[in-house]
Amino acid sequence: QSVLTQPPSVSGAPGQRVTISCTGSSSNIGAGYDVHWYQQLPGTAPKLLIYGNSNRPSGVPDRFSGSKSGTSASLAITGLQADDEADYYCQSYDSSLSGWVFGGGTKLTVL
Amino acid sequence: EVQLVESGGGLVQPGGSLRLSCAASGFTVSSNYMSWVRQAPGKGLEWVSVIYSGGSTYYADSVKGRFTISRHNSENTLYLQMNSLRAEDTAVYYCARLLDAFDMWGQGTMVTVSS
Repeated sequence: QSVLTQPPSVSGAPGQRVTISCTGSSSNIGAGYDVHWYQQLPGTAPKLLIYGNSNRPSGVPDRFSGSKSGTSASLAITGLQADDEADYYCQSYDSSLSGWVFGGGTKLTVL
Repeated sequence: EVQLVESGGGLVQPGGSLRLSCAASGFTVSSNYMSWVRQAPGKGLEWVSVIYSGGSTYYADSVKGRFTISRHNSENTLYLQMNSLRAEDTAVYYCARLLDAFDMWGQGTMVTVSS
């Protein structure tokens, strides 16, 4: 059971918008720690997609956006493309565990 | 080019030991927070350990007392010494640079613990 909770899967048609939620608690997201998002394409290493809740690293399209509120965060992907099919993970820091924590991951399927 | 390259994975028997290496290029390991993150087959990501630029080290409870993170400054390399390995340690091990987020990852090295 992951400390951060994500839906196991989401899907959408090309061009549509999808969101992935990440629910934490008062010892991680709710404590004010930043949330980061990673994209993991099949058979590859994770890649940083969103950092500091809502910031995109250089080279990440503005179709990807992040937000945070209270004990939750979300990743939105607009204009879905076939090569967006991947696993997406949220991540934060947990003060109770004194360590970095990840969500269980969400598999995005582009229909 | 800025990159991380892991090595040292393989098949080891339960109770055995293995040392993973992560060679960095394009930046200085000792000036950054560096971490190991693992991913069991078909599972999600799990943070394993971190070493701060000042040398402090921290571990996930699942590996505390068995794994040791270290670095070799002149070789610009990060290490993970893994002892008393268990079947549940089977995973791809990634090294990653930790800024606010894990902003750079290696390609990973597979560790299989099995008899």
